[in-house]
Amino acid sequence: GAVVSQHPSRVICKSGTSVKIECRSLDFQATTMFWYRQFPKKSLMLMATSNEGSKATYEQGVEKDKFLINHASLTLSTLTVTSAHPEDSSFYICSAREGRLNEKLFFGSGTQLSVL
Amino acid sequence: AQRVTQPEKLLSVFKGAPVELKCNYSYSGSPELFWYVQYSRQRLQLLLRHISRESIKGFTADLNKGETSFHLKKPFAQEEDSAMYYCALSGLLKQGAQKLVFGQGTRLTINP
Repeated sequence: GAVVSQHPSRVICKSGTSVKIECRSLDFQATTMFWYRQFPKKSLMLMATSNEGSKATYEQGVEKDKFLINHASLTLSTLTVTSAHPEDSSFYICSAREGRLNEKLFFGSGTQLSVL
Repeated sequence: AQRVTQPEKLLSVFKGAPVELKCNYSYSGSPELFWYVQYSRQRLQLLLRHISRESIKGFTADLNKGETSFHLKKPFAQEEDSAMYYCALSGLLKQGAQKLVFGQGTRLTINP
């Protein structure tokens, strides 16, 4: 099946620094990528939807200046957590969709971000 | 607005017993429903979707528009079914599928 690579799998950073998370579709072109955030024992909360070459669409309550999303190519999207604070500590998951249907939606393995 | 509710956070059954994971949704348009599964230490993966009407690993799910439900069922649970299960919904428009919204998830444990 299709593979989505998410890197890094785990990152620890100091408060105030920025962290970049990469999401790559390895064997298909992802016209749309989604970024989710998952709190412990909670559901996946959609943060934003990004389409290649256009600005990301953020969900209500998600700060676009805080969580910068770039979808520069059909195989790569990045999420940058700017000026990270301890409350940004969470598990971030990306997913990439090939085409227009969610039957071809594949998930990355996630990134555990810990802000000290 | 899209909303998915999985009323049970935890579900525990014995091996060989039937299992049903409940999912209810709220959406005014034409919904597309999915079940995703996450096994221990693995990434989230698609289990089945209502459009295909298929049975995967012995699991089935029927979309009941009257009750706005999409419960996941398996007649005889196996130990390898232990995992986290998420029900998800997206709207289906002419231009393509909308964003996927997830329920809170149900952790299924199959006891030997």
